[in-house]
Amino acid sequence: DTEVTQTPKHLVMGMTNKKSLKCEQHMGHRAMYWYKQKAKKPPELMFVYSYEKLSINESVPSRFSPECPNSSLLNLHLHALQPEDSALYLCASSHISLGPGGGYTFGSGTRLTVV
Amino acid sequence: AQTVTQSQPEMSVQEAETVTLSCTYDTSESDYYLFWYKQPPSRQMILVIRQEAYKQQNATENRFSVNFQKAAKSFSLKISDSQLGDAAMYFCAYRSPQGGSEKLVFGKGMKLTVNP
Repeated sequence: DTEVTQTPKHLVMGMTNKKSLKCEQHMGHRAMYWYKQKAKKPPELMFVYSYEKLSINESVPSRFSPECPNSSLLNLHLHALQPEDSALYLCASSHISLGPGGGYTFGSGTRLTVV
Repeated sequence: AQTVTQSQPEMSVQEAETVTLSCTYDTSESDYYLFWYKQPPSRQMILVIRQEAYKQQNATENRFSVNFQKAAKSFSLKISDSQLGDAAMYFCAYRSPQGGSEKLVFGKGMKLTVNP
């Protein structure tokens, strides 16, 4: 299995809703990431988990809450979002060390629309 | 901090021809990894090619090759025999080998159009 699977592919939510994005990989990668991407822009890093522990939080608002229940699963819990949070949310994973080449494997993303 | 610059926001190429995408970066590290990612309208970021800084030989993957100039901090991507499926956003990215630095630093991206 060489994929990162993200669900759902599309999500529309109101500003008072609570929803979660899910990401799963079975490649043995111990680093997992959440990125936010606006149209025609590069991905912006939100969170990094290393060995299931949060290692980087890029000053993301608390309405985004990440969770890494185990080495294969990464969640992003959403609450009280704003319309400007509408974007493509990408999950990725990689080896911690760069021995195998250091590249990320990305999922196909969740297109989030906040109404 | 490392930075990655893609100075051309858009390019176009005729099908079957060759196109070169430019990328420069800034770093004080001597060892690092460089990547080109492709993002078609389907959204998924796909790894096109990677280069390890300590390797002098330029990486090649089928129709894709890089021109890695370490002293000039330049990392261009050449696409030969361009195909319609090559149309996408292309992002150049840098990764530090340092432990605890799993972050990928992206350039702003370049939109490639392939004309039939």
